[in-house]
Amino acid sequence: QKEVEQDPGPLSVPEGAIVSLNCTYSNSAFQYFMWYRQYSRKGPELLMYTYSSGNKEDGRFTAQVDKSSKYISLFIRDSQPSDSATYLCAMSATNAGKSTFGDGTTLTVKP
Amino acid sequence: DGGITQSPKYLFRKEGQNVTLSCEQNLNHDAMYWYRQDPGQGLRLIYYSQIVNDFQKGDIAEGYSVSREKKESFPLTVTSAQKNPTAFYLCASSPGAGGTEAFFGQGTRLTVV
Repeated sequence: QKEVEQDPGPLSVPEGAIVSLNCTYSNSAFQYFMWYRQYSRKGPELLMYTYSSGNKEDGRFTAQVDKSSKYISLFIRDSQPSDSATYLCAMSATNAGKSTFGDGTTLTVKP
Repeated sequence: DGGITQSPKYLFRKEGQNVTLSCEQNLNHDAMYWYRQDPGQGLRLIYYSQIVNDFQKGDIAEGYSVSREKKESFPLTVTSAQKNPTAFYLCASSPGAGGTEAFFGQGTRLTVV
């Protein structure tokens, strides 16, 4: 079993929809949680970085961490065609070490 | 502009050849990483380095080698021992002791011909 499991997708939504992307994990030592966005044939870019449980909001994006359930989510409000990409979750036990990545969820937002 | 530069963007290798992928960063980050990404799959860690002159194997190090002689440089050599080298290779860096979030280069697509 993988340490990090990500909803596989693909996911296709109409423009303006609310999107929910999710990951579960098994390692209770994880404390740092990241979401990356990767456009086709490009390197991933960091979207959100969260420490421990709780919510973090940045514009149309909200990251949610529930450590008791070992579950993290990324919500995208008012989705746009430019949000079409693969989204990767990542986690780390320390703030100075390597991260473990999920396999990614590919999102398509249709105009 | 601060960032991570990978070169070349595309690379073709004949079977039995070694090739070296370049990764340079000017973010003054301590930690650097190499990942491999296959179609439809996530990132798999090849090697990482948290400090100059030191590096550790990741989950799929066989057939690869690295060096970290300078803080800003972390080249990856794909050797002939790597039986299935065709993939998208991503280099990343992170602050290290100051944070684990990674900043990625734009990748090198390696194809065996």
